Amino acid sequence: DAGVIQSPRHEVTEMGQEVTLRCKPISGHNSLFWYRQTMMRGLELLIYFNNNVPIDDSGMPEDRFSAKMPNASFSTLKIQPSEPRDSAVYFCASSPWDRGQGQPQHFGDGTRLSIL
Amino acid sequence: GDSVTQMEGPVTLSEEACLTINCTYTATGYPSLFWYVQYPGEGLQLLLKATKADDKGSNKGFEATYRKETTSFHLEKGSVQVSDSAVYFCSRSNDYKLSFGAGTTVTVRA
Repeated sequence: DAGVIQSPRHEVTEMGQEVTLRCKPISGHNSLFWYRQTMMRGLELLIYFNNNVPIDDSGMPEDRFSAKMPNASFSTLKIQPSEPRDSAVYFCASSPWDRGQGQPQHFGDGTRLSIL
Repeated sequence: GDSVTQMEGPVTLSEEACLTINCTYTATGYPSLFWYVQYPGEGLQLLLKATKADDKGSNKGFEATYRKETTSFHLEKGSVQVSDSAVYFCSRSNDYKLSFGAGTTVTVRA
């Protein structure tokens, strides 16, 4: 079975440019998460979608970051304009989350983003 | 808030040695507990889980027992291999969220 698919795997761009990261969750999973991982801050939850609706975006660092989920099989995380401090590995995860069941999340391989 | 504290690394071991990574969690609610493993250049993979007190999760020779009385979920393996070199994350559920520990880097030498 296909897991969570993220693209691109690596992205290098200059500051000020727009960056779009993409994610295809596991089919049938109704919850989708975007995380950022850095050495300094570890894993940070950026935003959580349930049934394509953003439920919690309290982790989105600032207005330069936006995320969408137009349908159950696709999500994007956009940074505009990008800054060097946005350099990190960005992970997408999905889960068949059901309240009270404690379902694990399934992670993609991440996008390694470098802003020069 | 809900949090997880795990043993700081890095941990370096010889092949066939015993591994223990300590993990404690805040005791609010009735969380599920997880161990994830991250190999270089990859995402986090679920290693094992436990959903209630006294449950034991196990996979690939790793084990962890949900201890409510000590709010702990320590990861153990009796004989590690070079292929076990990775970063290990302890995690607890918090409604729809997962709270992660800082991660423990384990290096196993031949």
